[in-house]
Amino acid sequence: QQQVKQSPQSLIVQKGGISIINCAYENTAFDYFPWYQQFPGKGPALLIAIRPDVSEKKEGRFTISFNKSAKQFSLHIMDSQPGDSATYFCAASRGTGANNLFFGTGTRLTVIP
Amino acid sequence: NAGVMQNPRHLVRRRGQEARLRCSPMKGHSHVYWYRQLPEEGLKFMVYLQKENIIDESGMPKERFSAEFPKEGPSILRIQQVVRGDSAAYFCASSGIQGGNTFGSGTRLTVV
Repeated sequence: QQQVKQSPQSLIVQKGGISIINCAYENTAFDYFPWYQQFPGKGPALLIAIRPDVSEKKEGRFTISFNKSAKQFSLHIMDSQPGDSATYFCAASRGTGANNLFFGTGTRLTVIP
Repeated sequence: NAGVMQNPRHLVRRRGQEARLRCSPMKGHSHVYWYRQLPEEGLKFMVYLQKENIIDESGMPKERFSAEFPKEGPSILRIQQVVRGDSAAYFCASSGIQGGNTFGSGTRLTVV
């Protein structure tokens, strides 16, 4: 059973465009929602995270939008750059412990020049 | 300050052999987590350890898999009698008391 559902599976965006990746969850006990960026041959790196007490969090070109009632959250990458090309994973957990993290299946983003 | 170190980066084993994966956490981190990533899938939690203790092994297969984090040295994930379905990328993450998980670059296990 997939605790966190992620879409799309792959995404191609023109340089300068907006990349949007969506995730949905079922478990209302989740209270921590991080996004990870993974380059080929590397481990996932924490990109940005949000807690359900806010509806949006922005860090540079990266924004998380969170809809608690719909149990959905999304990652927006503004002014997408070729260097953003990577696989992005959303995750959810109850608390911040890594033993409680449930990952989405990933979105492979390609930003074309 | 080195990050989480995993070795080997790539490991090839024949069916029935044993695989040993090593993870050295970041300096000052005492919590270690192992995850498995199958092709085209997200990471799935396997086991959580602190020094000399297994805290949560709810994601570990019941047979052939074991993990340890001794008082001295790296954490070890051991897979006995490997099968083709064990082929995957295995990631280790570590954290300190205040949380903040850092992942290693993983070990890619191929069973032939």
